[in-house]
Amino acid sequence: QQQVKQSPQSLIVQKGGISIINCAYENTAFDYFPWYQQFPGKGPALLIAIRPDVSEKKEGRFTISFNKSAKQFSLHIMDSQPGDSATYFCAASPYNFNKFYFGSGTKLNVKP
Amino acid sequence: DAGVTQSPTHLIKTRGQQVTLRCSPKSGHDTVSWYQQALGQEPQFIFQYYEEEERQRGNFPDRFSGHQFPNYSSELNVNALLLGDSALYLCASSFGHLSTDTQYFGPGTRLTVL
Repeated sequence: QQQVKQSPQSLIVQKGGISIINCAYENTAFDYFPWYQQFPGKGPALLIAIRPDVSEKKEGRFTISFNKSAKQFSLHIMDSQPGDSATYFCAASPYNFNKFYFGSGTKLNVKP
Repeated sequence: DAGVTQSPTHLIKTRGQQVTLRCSPKSGHDTVSWYQQALGQEPQFIFQYYEEEERQRGNFPDRFSGHQFPNYSSELNVNALLLGDSALYLCASSFGHLSTDTQYFGPGTRLTVL
């Protein structure tokens, strides 16, 4: 059973547009929600992360929005660039240990 | 400062064989986690080591075992390989084992089982 559900599976965005990826979870023990970016043949790299006590976190062009009551969180990539083309994974972990449950991934393609 | 390193980069084995993968954590990190990522899928947690002991384990059979050495490096062993074990094996290290302790992933070892 998928602990973290991610959508869409794939996304095509024009250069300069906004990319939005959504995730949902059920386990209320989760309290840390990172987003990872993965290029082909590489390991995932941490982009940005959020705790449930914050509704939004922004780092450069990347913003996480978090809705604790709905158990949903999303990644917004502003001014998307071709170099952002990669697979993005949301993840969740309970506080006591960094054992991450990953979403199924979103393959982002930013068209020039 | 070197990040997480893994060896070998690629490996080809046949069914029934045994394999050992190696991971050196980022400098200063004491916790190592292993993930399996099948082609086109998300990483799946295998287990985590700190203080040289397995502390957390995912839904993987006992054929998957590991070890952490006093210098915090780690090995992943897989016995009696199956075709379904073909995947990218990722090592992640962190300083500490709480959720907020950032995990840094290595480039992975691509294992192909024929």
